[in-house]
Amino acid sequence: GAVVSQHPSRVICKSGTSVKIECRSLDFQATTMFWYRQFPKKSLMLMATSNEGSKATYEQGVEKDKFLINHASLTLSTLTVTSAHPEDSSFYICSARGRDGNTIYFGEGSWLTVV
Amino acid sequence: AQSVTQLDSQVPVFEEAPVELRCNYSSSVSVYLFWYVQYPNQGLQLLLKYLSGSTLVKGINGFEAEFNKSQTSFHLRKPSVHISDTAEYFCAVQWNTGFQKLVFGTGTRLLVSP
Repeated sequence: GAVVSQHPSRVICKSGTSVKIECRSLDFQATTMFWYRQFPKKSLMLMATSNEGSKATYEQGVEKDKFLINHASLTLSTLTVTSAHPEDSSFYICSARGRDGNTIYFGEGSWLTVV
Repeated sequence: AQSVTQLDSQVPVFEEAPVELRCNYSSSVSVYLFWYVQYPNQGLQLLLKYLSGSTLVKGINGFEAEFNKSQTSFHLRKPSVHISDTAEYFCAVQWNTGFQKLVFGTGTRLLVSP
């Protein structure tokens, strides 16, 4: 399979600050990466699709200016939560399409706690 | 609208018993089907996938699933579970039309007890 890595795995930030989460494809190039958010005991909600070299495509209801996504290279996408608030506290997971172009592999996830 | 249904939010089972976790989806057009497992405080790990070919697919950890196009189902099975199989299991479907977004079910928590 393909390996997708996220960093940091856990982060605590103060309300009003910004925090960046990185998603890397370690052994393959990923032109498309996906960012999900998972609420406690809930399923995954697709936030946006990150395309290398172009703007991300956001799902309905996701604030583009709050959740900034950058896909600067074929192996790295970043999610920046700007002006974080306690309600942004959640488990964020990234994923990428593997070499077969269909199978999606997930990172380990990042716990964000805003205090 | 495209949707994925996992009818059981929680399935309790005794160790070494068989288990089936159900997954149904809304449309029978060309689909790719996946099962993922999530252990506590971790990301998602791919268990198995159906892209084409044989409708019975085998995955890791002794799990298997069968694609049933007429019933639009992709149920996950294991003949004998272990305590270590306790986790959250997510069914996911990718429709091969339009944007090809991966849609998840709400998850089924498998609880294996001794």
